[in-house]
Amino acid sequence: EVQLLESGGGLVQPGGSLRLSCEASAFTFSSYGINWVRQAPGKGLEWVSIISADITTTYYADSVKGRFTISRDNSKNILYLQMNSLRAEDTAIYYCARRSMGSKKWNTFDLWGQGTLVTVSS
Amino acid sequence: QSALTQPASVSGSPGQSITISCTGTSADVGGYNYVSWYQQHPGKAPKLMIYDVTNRPSGVSNRFSGSKSGNTASLTISGLQAEDEADYYCNSYASTNTVLFGGGTKLTVL
Repeated sequence: EVQLLESGGGLVQPGGSLRLSCEASAFTFSSYGINWVRQAPGKGLEWVSIISADITTTYYADSVKGRFTISRDNSKNILYLQMNSLRAEDTAIYYCARRSMGSKKWNTFDLWGQGTLVTVSS
Repeated sequence: QSALTQPASVSGSPGQSITISCTGTSADVGGYNYVSWYQQHPGKAPKLMIYDVTNRPSGVSNRFSGSKSGNTASLTISGLQAEDEADYYCNSYASTNTVLFGGGTKLTVL
């Protein structure tokens, strides 16, 4: 089955770090750009970051720039999000989402994981 | 980077049509034909419904359609069904090489 599966969420103290993973199955992972999108409890969606298929290009939302780093290992079909200097406002479900090849731009996400919850609290 | 503006809620009766708006600026919605729409049921991941303003992915009902005029994009759902009740989000590519989402609209089928 074509799918994305996130892991690595949990409870972390403010100022702490966490690394999320997203494992891809049943599609050619190395051909797709992949995003992280988050959703605070009871709130809307917020785009976080994207990494290109060939790993040459990354972009970040201003809210996480300088604190979060997106990376990927195409040999293992895994996407990562290293989150440092975490704040209470980073508390959210974090989804990985595949960029659609059918769209002309990378804001179209045609495959989503089920999400992993990150809670930043003391 | 401000979120795109959507109405907090809309409602309609089964069989009716509803439209959800998504307003941005010339730096995002108005500047590009790269608006997509997502449906999210409670506790579930979002699902792509419309991309590049008007295109429908394979498997999405033709009751869903998209359009754009100026800085405002719209999602129209015709022939409302109970299963359409969900949250709907728009997003747009923005000139700063980022993606902006709308705040979301809760659709209630009466």
